[in-house]
Amino acid sequence: NAGVTQTPKFRILKIGQSMTLQCTQDMNHNYMYWYRQDPGMGLKLIYYSVGAGITDKGEVPNGYNVSRSTTEDFPLRLELAAPSQTSVYFCASTRAGTSGNREQFFGPGTRLTVL
Amino acid sequence: AQKITQTQPGMFVQEKEAVTLDCTYDTSDQSYGLFWYKQPSSGEMIFLIYQGSYDEQNATEGRYSLNFQKARKSANLVISASQLGDSAMYFCAMRETGGGNKLTFGTGTQLKVEL
Repeated sequence: NAGVTQTPKFRILKIGQSMTLQCTQDMNHNYMYWYRQDPGMGLKLIYYSVGAGITDKGEVPNGYNVSRSTTEDFPLRLELAAPSQTSVYFCASTRAGTSGNREQFFGPGTRLTVL
Repeated sequence: AQKITQTQPGMFVQEKEAVTLDCTYDTSDQSYGLFWYKQPSSGEMIFLIYQGSYDEQNATEGRYSLNFQKARKSANLVISASQLGDSAMYFCAMRETGGGNKLTFGTGTQLKVEL
């Protein structure tokens, strides 16, 4: 049981390049999330999904796109990378439902630098 | 909009002492959940403890306890018998309403445990 895995661990992009951050979970969780963490700050939600084929924007969605074709995978696409997207990106997942302790399980993060 | 406030950017505690990390929240919802996560220097996010708004007793998990004062809208984390391995960033988070189990994070408190 690997939990939530993310690839790559590190990446340097040039301004204007595009890339996809991969996220996979093997816990059969319906809900998945993408956060970004800027230096010295908390996490901010980019996009989330409550099931395959269903995605929605979070607090900071501009410059990103997501898709959810399977329960396991939730890739994050960066189009036309900008220096403001330099951050650490975390993917997370949790089981469905809106009450009780539904802790989010986090991947190890992807450190992205845009130069 | 929901908001989490952590007013202590940094805290020091001596080994074996107890320490309290502050967290206040702002919400108009009656049903909500509060989480604490630990982020060591290695970067991963580790779930520590959960408190539901209707839970009558304060949550405890080993050396971690949550001092939940609903009327004051505070959910402080208490770490007893601090260890060197407790040195890390600690984040308070609240589950948002509106579905999706989205979390709003505070800006975190950097805890340093000293000999």
